[in-house]
Amino acid sequence: DAKTTQPTSMDCAEGRAANLPCNHSTISGNEYVYWYRQIHSQGPQYIIHGLKNNETNEMASLIITEDRKSSTLILPHATLRDTAVYYCIVRASSNDYKLSFGAGTTVTVRA
Amino acid sequence: GAGVSQSPSNKVTEKGKDVELRCDPISGHTALYWYRQSLGQGLEFLIYFQGNSAPDKSGLPSDRFSAERTGGSVSTLTIQRTQQEDSAVYLCASRPGPNQPQHFGDGTRLSIL
Repeated sequence: DAKTTQPTSMDCAEGRAANLPCNHSTISGNEYVYWYRQIHSQGPQYIIHGLKNNETNEMASLIITEDRKSSTLILPHATLRDTAVYYCIVRASSNDYKLSFGAGTTVTVRA
Repeated sequence: GAGVSQSPSNKVTEKGKDVELRCDPISGHTALYWYRQSLGQGLEFLIYFQGNSAPDKSGLPSDRFSAERTGGSVSTLTIQRTQQEDSAVYLCASRPGPNQPQHFGDGTRLSIL
């Protein structure tokens, strides 16, 4: 599975958009980009995933570059409850993939 | 809607005791995973169930660990003769099918005294 690189931490202001980058330069053609987050004392929460097209749901938008070597998770209007560790994961299309998280990005939303 | 439910949310027990952790996956999800997460550590895969296939037990750390999934739904993770290094948050996740994301419960925080 392709390795991902994320910044260790970032701050953002409440009400502003938060843009979280992820590099996955060794991604293969059949690998999806998944984003999860983990708020303290809770289980990981799925946010969004995509293969090559940009995706949007009620939580966030995912922008994947044309060469697929990097992506950006966008939280359009960050709230204090979005403070969490955000994980970018690349996984092949298979029926039995096992998740593993790296260090992720610790996002702190400030009032 | 109902998510993945795990019980108990917290468990404190003495070293050497057996513990059972329960997971109720999202209805209709065919795949079920157990992971554990230790303080400051990443996510460690333990075991995976898919439909009626034999489970993938490759992540179980020792033969003290076992898991069952009855009727393709509820799963129980059992740890026998617990040791202090078993202290961790045990997470369960379920998934409806291929290319679909895993959805997690909030875990069971296990503390071995």
